Amino acid sequence: QVQLVQSGAEVKKPGSSVKVSCKASGGTASRYAISWVRQARGHGLEWMGGIIPIFDTIDYAQKFKGRVTLTADESTSTAYMELSSLRSEDTAVYYCAKILDLSHEGALHIWGQGTMVTVSS
Amino acid sequence: QSVLTQPPSVSGAPGQRVTISCAGSSSSIGAGYDVHWYQHLPGTAPKLLIYGNNIRPSGVPDRFSGSKSGTSASLVITGLQAEDEADYYCQSYDRSLSGVVFGGGTILTVL
Repeated sequence: QVQLVQSGAEVKKPGSSVKVSCKASGGTASRYAISWVRQARGHGLEWMGGIIPIFDTIDYAQKFKGRVTLTADESTSTAYMELSSLRSEDTAVYYCAKILDLSHEGALHIWGQGTMVTVSS
Repeated sequence: QSVLTQPPSVSGAPGQRVTISCAGSSSSIGAGYDVHWYQHLPGTAPKLLIYGNNIRPSGVPDRFSGSKSGTSASLVITGLQAEDEADYYCQSYDRSLSGVVFGGGTILTVL
């Protein structure tokens, strides 16, 4: 059974960047499609973008274009999400999730445990 | 404001049936994109409940069912149980936004 294990909690200053990792066990990240979703306290789920390494395609939510970068390292079966120019509103739990099929609009059937990112001066 | 519209909250007594709606548009659900549903408990990762509009993953009780018609979709939960108390989200794709969209979420309270 595939599992996604994310990196630990982060505390960042406003204006800095954060990079969250998502390691797939039981397979290789390059054969998966991975979406990144966040949830700020008191808010709902928000899609940030998705990456399909085997097709070399990346899709970003319009809201995050220019601020988020998604990458994948096939050699370590790890996907990464980097968010720059952090502000307090970016304080949230960030999730990676495996898409059921190789398309951005597919269902998210396996989720990482979430990574809390706190942006505070 | 979410592209997909869900009621903020629904409630029901144990054993009852509840319906959670998810209203989209001609560029999302109405364009033929599938709808997926998730159950989210505080402090845990969301769980896929329904995918492809009406398909239950292995392990999801048949008390949960989904449907889609026109520009909207619904999640129906029958035989409500206390453990069903959670937040529920619908998800689809919007071609005008060229991206995945979620509903705002619905809090289910079991009375």
